Amino acid sequence: EDQVTQSPEALRLQEGESSSLNCSYTVSGLRGLFWYRQDPGKGPEFLFTLYSAGEEKEKERLKATLTKKESFLHITAPKPEDSATYLCAVRSGGGADGLTFGKGTHLIIQP
Amino acid sequence: AAGVIQSPRHLIKEKRETATLKCYPIPRHDTVYWYQQGPGQDPQFLISFYEKMQSDKGSIPDRFSAQQFSDYHSELNMSSLELGDSALYFCASSLDPGANEKLFFGSGTQLSVL
Repeated sequence: EDQVTQSPEALRLQEGESSSLNCSYTVSGLRGLFWYRQDPGKGPEFLFTLYSAGEEKEKERLKATLTKKESFLHITAPKPEDSATYLCAVRSGGGADGLTFGKGTHLIIQP
Repeated sequence: AAGVIQSPRHLIKEKRETATLKCYPIPRHDTVYWYQQGPGQDPQFLISFYEKMQSDKGSIPDRFSAQQFSDYHSELNMSSLELGDSALYFCASSLDPGANEKLFFGSGTQLSVL
């Protein structure tokens, strides 16, 4: 059974204070690891897809990296508008099409 | 750009009633997924359809059924509603799942069962 564990559950940072969110996963053959951002009462918004260990992707203040066991979402000099819940999800090679999500990291950036 | 459209946005039902949620995928997307997200929980995969055929099944209760129509829109039918069914229901769409495309999510339907 695919498992995704995110840490920390919640993180409060000052504006400009860089940090990293962790996503540990166990899957039977990784077909893709996805990062989403979710604002309260809204649907998850796609950020990145990573497919193989060593891969990195960047978008504005966010950078996602992938190893064989985990992924990190690095946030550099965050702004209050980066406050959201960040969800990690995996699609396994077990034949399932649906994504398995972690419980997310609730990020608060204080001005 | 067109996004995934879900309706209704909010729905209030009584126990044992039925509910129908609708999802209109992004144009040219042939795959639809349904997810259930309880308060403070991660989205749980329910069911997916590719080219109008069920392609994968997750933790969908037997009281729920879904289908994808010829125009690719999908409906989630929920019967004998229970209090525990209260949640945010998301629909997502993508291109062919075999191509490992990312999912685009709608804004969800907030279902409250009283």
